[in-house]
Amino acid sequence: EVQLLESGGGLVQPGGSLRLSCAASGFTFSSYAMSWVRQAPGKGLEWVSAISGSGGRTFYADSVKGRFTISRDNSKNTLYLQMKSLRVEDTAFYYCAKGANPEHPYHFEDWGQGTLVTVSS
Amino acid sequence: EVVLTQSPATLSLSPGERATLSCRASQTVHSYLAWYQQKPGQAPRLLIYDVSNRATGIPARFSGSGSGTDFTLTISSLEPEDFAVYYCQQRFSWPPLTFGGGTKVEIK
Repeated sequence: EVQLLESGGGLVQPGGSLRLSCAASGFTFSSYAMSWVRQAPGKGLEWVSAISGSGGRTFYADSVKGRFTISRDNSKNTLYLQMKSLRVEDTAFYYCAKGANPEHPYHFEDWGQGTLVTVSS
Repeated sequence: EVVLTQSPATLSLSPGERATLSCRASQTVHSYLAWYQQKPGQAPRLLIYDVSNRATGIPARFSGSGSGTDFTLTISSLEPEDFAVYYCQQRFSWPPLTFGGGTKVEIK
């Protein structure tokens, strides 16, 4: 059974930093691209970033480019999202999502339960 | 960026009725469209990928159709557990991967 467990969310001031983690199990982690997808409370879904299975290719939404960095440690079956220069509009639940292909996320076959990031002074 | 527009925003139906949800793309996404279901307090769940392929464990009452820019998710006979929000998502032109704004299926 695929399991994705996010952690690292919390309350941070505007301009602050936070690192999210997603521990994966139940599948060959390095064989799948992974993504972060966020959802502001009461709003729709927004894709944030993706990384290929090897970690060699990364992709970002314009709204986070230059501020967020996605990475993975295949030896630890863990996905990360380093978030800097956080803004109030980054407040959201952040979901880790497993893609359907080694190089590209395509669609999202499995999702974690989400971790809440709140940016507020 | 491909913009996906879902309609209606809210669909009020009774259990046993047929639900028809629409997703329209601002440019062709060929057959690279997926549908998700999200219930309150839960993560989204993949229902359909590449227009018409049901994900593992998804009941046959869920079906998808369409091509190019116009797509439909049909729930043939609503069960109580089907009342939720549904999102479409395209993967043809990316980054960014984009989602529609969602359709809420509520009990009438």
